[in-house]
Amino acid sequence: NAGVTQTPKFRILKIGQSMTLQCTQDMNHNYMYWYRQDPGMGLKLIYYSVGAGITDKGEVPNGYNVSRSTTEDFPLRLELAAPSQTSVYFCASSTTGGSRDEQFFGPGTRLTVL
Amino acid sequence: GDSVTQMEGPVTLSEEAFLTINCTYTATGYPSLFWYVQYPGEGLQLLLKATKADDKGSNKGFEATYRKETTSFHLEKGSVQVSDSAVYFCALPHGGATNKLIFGTGTLLAVQP
Repeated sequence: NAGVTQTPKFRILKIGQSMTLQCTQDMNHNYMYWYRQDPGMGLKLIYYSVGAGITDKGEVPNGYNVSRSTTEDFPLRLELAAPSQTSVYFCASSTTGGSRDEQFFGPGTRLTVL
Repeated sequence: GDSVTQMEGPVTLSEEAFLTINCTYTATGYPSLFWYVQYPGEGLQLLLKATKADDKGSNKGFEATYRKETTSFHLEKGSVQVSDSAVYFCALPHGGATNKLIFGTGTLLAVQP
C-alpha cells in the first residue's frame, strides 16, 4: 500500500512551457485534492474531485486544469507556466467528503518556473 | 468567511521544553478541527483532530482541546524532542460534503538538543 504518490519530485520549467503533475492513490478514495504551498503561507486548494469524471475549482484554479478519468489518478496540468506558479504542489485524497475525514497527502512536487 | 489563524514562527525550543502553538478559527457552526504535521522533505500527515466542542485530540504526546468559547484549538506538548522539529498546520473543513480544508499559515518548530 503506497498511499498517495506524486511525480516528479522536482521540476524546473521555463516561462510558457507546459507540464503535467501526476498523482496516484491506491486506497480507493473517491475524493482527491490538489493544493499549492507557497513560502510562509498555508496550503491553498487548486482543484478537487469527488469521483471519477467529476472535478471542481478550489480557491486558486487559474492557470491549471485537471481531469479524473479513473479513481486512482488525478493529474494536474499547467498549460503556460508563469513565475507565479513556482510553488510546492501537494496531492491529497480522502475516503469521503465528510468533515471528520483525514486527508492523506503525497510527498509533493517542487516546481520552479524561470 | 471561514478562516484559521496560527501563531507565527519559527518557534525554537530546547529539548524537553513545553510547547504551545496557538490556533484560533472563524467558522459557521462547530466544524471539526485538525492539526497536521509536515516533517522536512515530506508531505503533510494528520497529527490529531477533534470533531466537536470540548473534545480533546491527542497523539504522540501532543494534545489540543476544541474550545468553542474562545474559538481556539491550541496545540501543546509537555516535553518536546528533536524529532518533533517540523511545520505544524491547523486546519478546518469548509465546503459542505467535500471536506475541502482551510489551512493556517503553518508554524515551524525547531527543537535543539
